[in-house]
Amino acid sequence: GENVEQHPSTLSVQEGDSAVIKCTYSDSASNYFPWYKQELGKGPQLIIDIRSNVGEKKDQRIAVTLNKTAKHFSLHITETQPEDSAVYFCAAGQSNAGNMLTFGGGTRLMVKP
Amino acid sequence: GAGVSQSPRYKVAKRGQDVALRCDPISGHVSLFWYQQALGQGPEFLTYFQNEAQLDKSGLPSDRFFAERPEGSVSTLKIQRTQQEDSAVYLCASSPGGDTQYFGPGTRLTVL
Repeated sequence: GENVEQHPSTLSVQEGDSAVIKCTYSDSASNYFPWYKQELGKGPQLIIDIRSNVGEKKDQRIAVTLNKTAKHFSLHITETQPEDSAVYFCAAGQSNAGNMLTFGGGTRLMVKP
Repeated sequence: GAGVSQSPRYKVAKRGQDVALRCDPISGHVSLFWYQQALGQGPEFLTYFQNEAQLDKSGLPSDRFFAERPEGSVSTLKIQRTQQEDSAVYLCASSPGGDTQYFGPGTRLTVL
């Protein structure tokens, strides 16, 4: 089955700096890669996703890159703000109905004002 | 619009008790998933429904775990004879039929 590794497990940055979180996956059949933000006591919230027909996707301060050959993908947050502080999870799955997601272990991002 | 809702938000059970956790998916969403999230870890897949059909239950950890979605909308995850290792947050997610999954707030289960 799929295995997703995520690094780093914790990340502390100064407000305004950029943050990068990296993930690797093992199953070459995976072609859907969402990123979720989870705040304390809440469920995961989808912030961006990418499918393997594209290499990069941006949404305001958030971007995701995908290298299918190397089986890794990354989340980039620019101009970080204190409200970006949360746990971020990457996941991998297949882009068809009903396919489960396999999650990484999470990255706790702390943005210091 | 309304998102995925789960109830109760918190549940404390004594070891050996049975519990039932409810998920109300987004209206019209065909697919429904249950995940288990241990403290400090990522969610792990338990089971999947398409409408009322349970198409994948490969992630259920034991036969004490049972899930149903009889009318293709609300789903219930039941855990019989709870054990301490069942303590976790149980997350429900729904999808309109593609790959995007929307999660509820979860139910935190504590087994004493």
